[in-house]
Amino acid sequence: ETGVTQSPTHLIKTRGQQVTLRCSSQSGHNTVSWYQQALGQGPQFIFQYYREEENGRGNFPPRFSGLQFPNYSSELNVNALELDDSALYLCASSPPGAGANTGELFFGEGSRLTVL
Amino acid sequence: QKEVEQDPGPLSVPEGAIVSLNCTYSNSAFQYFMWYRQYSRKGPELLMYTYSSGNKEDGRFTAQVDKSSKYISLFIRDSQPSDSATYLCAMGPHTGGFKTIFGAGTRLFVKA
Repeated sequence: ETGVTQSPTHLIKTRGQQVTLRCSSQSGHNTVSWYQQALGQGPQFIFQYYREEENGRGNFPPRFSGLQFPNYSSELNVNALELDDSALYLCASSPPGAGANTGELFFGEGSRLTVL
Repeated sequence: QKEVEQDPGPLSVPEGAIVSLNCTYSNSAFQYFMWYRQYSRKGPELLMYTYSSGNKEDGRFTAQVDKSSKYISLFIRDSQPSDSATYLCAMGPHTGGFKTIFGAGTRLFVKA
C-alpha cells in the first residue's frame, strides 16, 4: 500500500513569487487536506478537498488555493508569496466513509518552503 | 484563547519512565480526539484515535478523554529513546467537512 507522497520536498522562493505543491493520496483515500506547519507550531488547517470540490477552509487568504483531480491527487497553490509563508506544508488523506468524517489523517512527509 | 492548548515542553525523562502528555480544549463540539507523533523533519503519524469520552489502550500507549473537563491525556509506559519526538494532540467535531485542530505539540526526550 502506497502512502501519501508529496513533491517537492524542499524549495526556496522569493517574495511575490508563486508556488505549486503536489500530493498523491494514499491508495483508496478520496479526501485530501492541506496543513501549514510553522516551526515549533502544530499544523494549521488550510483546506480540504472531497470529490474535486473544496469542502472546508481554515483562516487562510484567497491567495492559497487548491485543486483535487479525479485520481484524488491534489495541488496547493500559493500566490504572491510572503516571508511568513515559510513553513512545512503537509498533505493528509483520509479514507472514505467514517474515516473522512472523523478526522483520521494520514500525512505525507511535507514540502518545506522557504521564502526569502 | 486558543481552541487547543498544549504545553510545548521540552519534557525530558529517563528510559523506562511513564510519560504523561496533556491537552485542554475549549470547544464542546469536539467529538473525536487523536494523538500524533512527529519525528524531526517528518510528517505526523497517527498514534491513537478516540471517539467521545473514555480510555483506549494500544501496547505501551493509553489515551484518555474527559469531555466534562475538556482534557485529554496520552500515557506512554516503559518509555524508550525511540519515543523521543514531538507529540501533537488533535481534535474536531463529528460533522462532514471536518476541520481537525492541532495543539502546538510537546517535545519529548527519553534519555538512555
